[in-house]
Amino acid sequence: NAGVIQTPRHKVTGKGQEATLWCEPISGHSAVFWYRQTIVQGLEFLTYFRNQAPIDDSGMPKERFSAQMPNQSHSTLKIQSTQPQDSAVYLCASSPRDREDTQYFGPGTRLLVL
Amino acid sequence: QQQVRQSSQSLTVWEGETAILNCSYENSAFDYFPWYQQFPGEGPALLIAIRSVSDKKEDGRFTIFFNKREKNLSLHIKDSQPGDSATYFCAASDTNAYKVIFGKGTHLHVLP
Repeated sequence: NAGVIQTPRHKVTGKGQEATLWCEPISGHSAVFWYRQTIVQGLEFLTYFRNQAPIDDSGMPKERFSAQMPNQSHSTLKIQSTQPQDSAVYLCASSPRDREDTQYFGPGTRLLVL
Repeated sequence: QQQVRQSSQSLTVWEGETAILNCSYENSAFDYFPWYQQFPGEGPALLIAIRSVSDKKEDGRFTIFFNKREKNLSLHIKDSQPGDSATYFCAASDTNAYKVIFGKGTHLHVLP
């Protein structure tokens, strides 16, 4: 029974390039969350989908970040024109229906912007 | 303002001791408090959780003590092992809410 899968595990981009991060939630889970983790800020909520519909993107930096969930088996987080301050671990989590406060995290994608 | 606060960034104990990790929160509406454990290179994993109707939750060597009046809780790790060395996050949410608020984490070091 696979957990949440995130690819790639590590990504290095140059300043100004685009980065796309992938997440495959646990099969049967209805909710998908994206978080950003840094030493200074800790775990920051970015966005949330329920049954593939975007519900809350209040944590997303508005201009360069976007997230999609085209089907129930994967979600993407895209960062355009990456900046060094975007360097972080990006975590995806999924939750079962009716237990969205119980989140199962993937291993994360470590993004480094040079 | 931090809604969930963990009092120590770092805690060191000897193997066999009880590690006590403290947490406090601001929002009285919070009623679900999970603790997550994270090892380097991995995502956080749910360790144990408590609802505000209880004052204690035990699972093996891990126990949560919860004080609703004082709005604080603690995670006790009995008979600490070097393998327990990790970062522990206290978190909170309110009923039917999807948004879980995380503390900044406590790095626990268990020395052999």
